[in-house]
Amino acid sequence: DARVTQTPRHKVTEMGQEVTMRCQPILGHNTVFWYRQTMMQGLELLAYFRNRAPLDDSGMPKDRFSAEMPDATLATLKIQPSEPRDSAVYFCASGLVHQGQAHQPQHFGDGTRLSIL
Amino acid sequence: GDSVTQMEGPVTLSEEAFLTINCTYTATGYPSLFWYVQYPGEGLQLLLKATKADDKGSNKGFEATYRKETTSFHLEKGSVQVSDSAVYFCALIDRGSTLGRLYFGRGTQLTVWP
Repeated sequence: DARVTQTPRHKVTEMGQEVTMRCQPILGHNTVFWYRQTMMQGLELLAYFRNRAPLDDSGMPKDRFSAEMPDATLATLKIQPSEPRDSAVYFCASGLVHQGQAHQPQHFGDGTRLSIL
Repeated sequence: GDSVTQMEGPVTLSEEAFLTINCTYTATGYPSLFWYVQYPGEGLQLLLKATKADDKGSNKGFEATYRKETTSFHLEKGSVQVSDSAVYFCALIDRGSTLGRLYFGRGTQLTVWP
């Protein structure tokens, strides 16, 4: 089965450090989503891309977070500088969306578990 | 706007008990509905889906019926197992939107004891 691959699976670092999380979407999927999961807030949508172009990043703190898709096989989420409140599990998901066919389910990666000390 | 509300957890059951997790939705358009499951340490996996009113999605003994009149999509299983312990998320996509964005409920933690 095709899978969404996220790296690293775990990351522990000190506050102030730059963190980069990577995602390889399923080949042929044209939409990539970044989510953050915490106990307090649940699952939050941070940003998403269609055909590598950002569609919406309103859920993302702009001052320290950035998301990009350098190519169709790689999506990145960066935090600089990181803070303890950024500790969470970050999920990437991909899906295939065509006009009038926005009912396909998304496929999720296993997440990056981030701890900022 | 679009939103999903599901019952608060945690839910604790004995093995072979009957499970219901309630889910209701609000949608501006005509949504497709989903249940995702998250096992410990893993990402969300699609459990079942329904794309139109009165459709029943089913998988691994779980079922949910798309009820447009009550805007509900409750998850049921007749006999739960310890291996069903996980977090369950109800979600919707507005089929009239090209954004393809999923709207999730808060999740319901299920623990099944032997």
